[in-house]
Amino acid sequence: EPEVTQTPSHQVTQMGQEVILRCVPISNHLYFYWYRQILGQKVEFLVSFYNNEISEKSEIFDDQFSVERPDGSNFTLKIRSTKLEDSAMYFCASHTSPTNEQFFGPGTRLTVL
Amino acid sequence: GESVGLHLPTLSVQEGDNSIINCAYSNSASDYFIWFKQESGKGPQFIIDIRSNMDKRQGQRVTVLLNKTVKHLSLQIAATQPGDSAVYFCAENGSNTGKLIFGQGTTLQVKP
Repeated sequence: EPEVTQTPSHQVTQMGQEVILRCVPISNHLYFYWYRQILGQKVEFLVSFYNNEISEKSEIFDDQFSVERPDGSNFTLKIRSTKLEDSAMYFCASHTSPTNEQFFGPGTRLTVL
Repeated sequence: GESVGLHLPTLSVQEGDNSIINCAYSNSASDYFIWFKQESGKGPQFIIDIRSNMDKRQGQRVTVLLNKTVKHLSLQIAATQPGDSAVYFCAENGSNTGKLIFGQGTTLQVKP
């Protein structure tokens, strides 16, 4: 069964460093998302991406964040200068259309020290 | 502002009993709702969805009820099993971009 994959599963970084979180969505999906979940809290929307551009972003997704789909398979989230409060689980998700089931990856745990 | 929330943080049930997890939403324009299950260390897993033109939808052992009048959503799990232990989130399709707005989550604990 096709699934969304994410790498790495755990990323530890120093405050101020850049990190890139990688996702491979399901191959025939057209809509891509990043969400984050701070420990013990709810899942929060970061950004949606369709047709090679951002379609919507949240207040969390400031100019330190960027997304890219560099080829036909990968979807990346970059944080340019990490802060302590960026520590969270980051989930990638994808689906074929906005009202169909959204498939989530297993997440990357980002720890900023 | 728009928000989706859950009434109880933790629900403890006996194995074999039915479970009911509730959710309230505030955006009356929302037209698509989803229940997710999240096990420890994993991403949210789709359980069941419902569109606003329906008030009930059934899956395997799960039923979602939607009451648009009071903006309330519930998830019923029949014959709850230990494997059902997880955090359950309701989510609302917040816009036509597919963005999901999640509630706080209810932890379901199933006692053997």
